[in-house]
Amino acid sequence: KAGVTQTPRYLIKTRGQQVTLSCSPISGHRSVSWYQQTPGQGLQFLFEYFSETQRNKGNFPGRFSGRQFSNSRSEMNVSTLELGDSALYLCASSPYAGYTEAFFGQGTRLTVV
Amino acid sequence: AQTVTQSQPEMSVQEAETVTLSCTYDTSESDYYLFWYKQPPSRQMILVIRQEAYKQQNATENRFSVNFQKAAKSFSLKISDSQLGDAAMYFCAYRSAMGGGATNKLIFGTGTLLAVQP
Repeated sequence: KAGVTQTPRYLIKTRGQQVTLSCSPISGHRSVSWYQQTPGQGLQFLFEYFSETQRNKGNFPGRFSGRQFSNSRSEMNVSTLELGDSALYLCASSPYAGYTEAFFGQGTRLTVV
Repeated sequence: AQTVTQSQPEMSVQEAETVTLSCTYDTSESDYYLFWYKQPPSRQMILVIRQEAYKQQNATENRFSVNFQKAAKSFSLKISDSQLGDAAMYFCAYRSAMGGGATNKLIFGTGTLLAVQP
């Protein structure tokens, strides 16, 4: 069974641009969560989706948005990029909300210059 | 709000020895899960061990075990017979199980970087 797939693995963007990151969960998983990992702030929860509905949102500005498609694939979008958005973005999937384990992808490393 | 604290930014252990990583948390909830995740240089987070708060028995997975002290809100990880492959960043994490537990939102500590010396 394929694991959680995040694309692209690496990305370099310029301040002010926007970016879209993709996460394909493990087959059969309907719950997807996103996290931002930075050296200064550590791992912070961004959003959680289940069956195309956002169930939870972290404390991030409105520039950060996400969505989930009917096939459970999820995207997150960051508009008007700032230098501080440089981070590793991790996606995790589970069969359903409240499942005992979250399975993580390898992340997308975003660098904003 | 719930918080997770890892007070040891870095730890070092000799191969084949035992090391304990500390974690404390704060919550007013009675039902929750606690996890230890490992993040090697490949960056992929891997679940090491899980503890349900309602279980008094400490969880064990092969060389990994926890000391769960619910009243003290402490959740330490013991790694026995340390191996070179154990070198990684270790994160303690909290997940609420309230309201039927219908969330996968994890609250992470700041991590402990474990080095294993040959």
